[in-house]
Amino acid sequence: QSALTQPPSASGSPGQSVTISCTGTSSDIGSFSYISWYQQVPGKAPKLILFEVNVRPSGVPDRFSGSKSGNTASLTVSGLRPEDEADYYCVSYAGTTNPSIFGTGTKVTV
Amino acid sequence: EVKLIESGGGPVQPGGSLRLSCAASGFSFSGSPMSWVRQAPGQGLEWISYISTTGRTIQYADSVRGRCTISRDNDDKSLYLQLDSLRVDDTAVYFCVRQGSVLHWGPGTMVTVSS
Repeated sequence: QSALTQPPSASGSPGQSVTISCTGTSSDIGSFSYISWYQQVPGKAPKLILFEVNVRPSGVPDRFSGSKSGNTASLTVSGLRPEDEADYYCVSYAGTTNPSIFGTGTKVTV
Repeated sequence: EVKLIESGGGPVQPGGSLRLSCAASGFSFSGSPMSWVRQAPGQGLEWISYISTTGRTIQYADSVRGRCTISRDNDDKSLYLQLDSLRVDDTAVYFCVRQGSVLHWGPGTMVTVSS
């Protein structure tokens, strides 16, 4: 079960946008739209910010958006705010024998 | 509201054992596949074990296979992880996770393996 590949870091100034990629294979991201994104601040459990590629749970601002093309999913954070500084992880479903494949994580600095 | 509370973590010497527990509430536990995910200090998330709703299907990551046993008690709405032959690199926060189109996480329990 190989991890999904994310860039180790990304950064932007307040108000700017940042996009994080999550690259998998035709067996995971390429085959399913069950891709979710989680935000994690130090010492806390990950928090869901997007599911099924681009669906935001209640309470998540619309500054967070997602997309998918081929074997790569992306998370875009628009209008960066200091509180967006965190680690971000993508997760993909890859079938009943691989219910969750995790991304390597990206540290976003604002 | 989905609630998952882990317990059982703590300090342990290399070669020792621990049994982690996860108490679930707020959802159909017997209808939910579950996993354990860990995070070493300063590192990313690592899935380590999965169990289906009935317990018939179980999977382990290579890093823990042979040293780790996942189990569940649907009547008690509890998930367990037995960790044996612990190594220093097993030091991590261990999260109980409800599988689904989205993952629900507990706050985690810290396991520290050190002599």
